[in-house]
Amino acid sequence: SQTIHQWPATLVQPVGSPLSLECTVEGTSNPNLYWYRQAAGRGLQLLFYSVGIGQISSEVPQNLSASRPQDRQFILSSKKLLLSDSGFYLCAWSTTAGGYTFGSGTRLTVV
Amino acid sequence: GQNIDQPTEMTATEGAIVQINCTYQTSGFNGLFWYQQHAGEAPTFLSYNVLDGLEEKGRFSSFLSRSKGYSYLLLKELQMKDSASYLCAVSPYNQGGKLIFGQGTELSVKP
Repeated sequence: SQTIHQWPATLVQPVGSPLSLECTVEGTSNPNLYWYRQAAGRGLQLLFYSVGIGQISSEVPQNLSASRPQDRQFILSSKKLLLSDSGFYLCAWSTTAGGYTFGSGTRLTVV
Repeated sequence: GQNIDQPTEMTATEGAIVQINCTYQTSGFNGLFWYQQHAGEAPTFLSYNVLDGLEEKGRFSSFLSRSKGYSYLLLKELQMKDSASYLCAVSPYNQGGKLIFGQGTELSVKP
């Protein structure tokens, strides 16, 4: 069966510290992968998506970057976190039917 | 570009029927999705419309009219556990399968 793993579940980081969030998918090959962010009480904002290894499309200019070092691995990073980076980060992969399956999310609080 | 509009909040009574509307302006899309998101959790897939018309899945149905730029999600026999945010999303043509989400409708079901 196909599963998506995302960790950690919660994270509290000081301003200016680095960030690395990891997402891995099992049970499928060459998935499309996505990183979304959801601010409190707001909708989902697409940050990055990837259609293959090393292929990253950025949707909004920001303090974050993404990488896809392996087919089933998608990493979201920052060199120096800002207060505005706080939010609920969701990784997702698209199914053959075209819908998404989301990971369980990481709640990031920058203090 | 895409612009997706949903009501911010709705309230309904347990056992009743509620319709959540979604209007969009987009140059073209593969399909329209509805997701449910409980507080603090990741969104889960509810339904998917490609063609005009009604798709029924148990207590949930979704309708699409491409000519009118309009969709709705219909929830029947409301239960307290249906209190959640409901997200409308479109998958634009030739954009790596990404989904563009509306801001979501927060539904409160009252006894």
